[in-house]
Amino acid sequence: DVKVTQSSRYLVKRTGEKVFLECVQDMDHENMFWYRQDPGLGLRLIYFSYDVKMKEKGDIPEGYSVSREKKERFSLILESASTNQTSMYLCASRGTGNYGYTFGSGTRLTVV
Amino acid sequence: KNQVEQSPQSLIILEGKNCTLQCNYTVSPFSNLRWYKQDTGRGPVSLTIMTFSENTKSNGRYTATLDADTKQSSLHITASQLSDSASYICVVGEGKSTFGDGTTLTVKP
Repeated sequence: DVKVTQSSRYLVKRTGEKVFLECVQDMDHENMFWYRQDPGLGLRLIYFSYDVKMKEKGDIPEGYSVSREKKERFSLILESASTNQTSMYLCASRGTGNYGYTFGSGTRLTVV
Repeated sequence: KNQVEQSPQSLIILEGKNCTLQCNYTVSPFSNLRWYKQDTGRGPVSLTIMTFSENTKSNGRYTATLDADTKQSSLHITASQLSDSASYICVVGEGKSTFGDGTTLTVKP
């Protein structure tokens, strides 16, 4: 089974801090995604990547950046964390021609 | 604008009963439709994936149907169990897929 591993389940950071959320997948998938999930808003796409060093903006990229230096790793960066970035963050991967996403367990980030 | 609408927003049923969740979509072009189950505090897990040519797909007690003409899908859960309590999310399309907001199912003993 494909595994998508997110580095932290729970994270508490202070306003203004730079925050790194790490995601690693072990099945050589080309496509990787970062979503945030908030009550009543569903999953919203922040950024995605279809290859190493490639990235595309999703629906809500403001305040975030990403890095994909290796195929298996996709990092989400909050340049200067703010309280409105308190959320559940979900990483997912998908292979080319494979219709299904495999999600990580999520990181619950609280910015205080 | 691509949209996926799920109903009901929430549902409470007794253990052992059946239920059906609905997903209506206006996504173009259509490539596939997926149902996911998300337990509280966890990431979504795939239940079924259907392409345009498929109209039924089963995974144990879960059966998904797809009517591409009316752009509707349903997820039927048979003989519900307490562990079925979760959020069920309908997802349509490739790349920047369109996600529904989910249906929260509570199964009570």
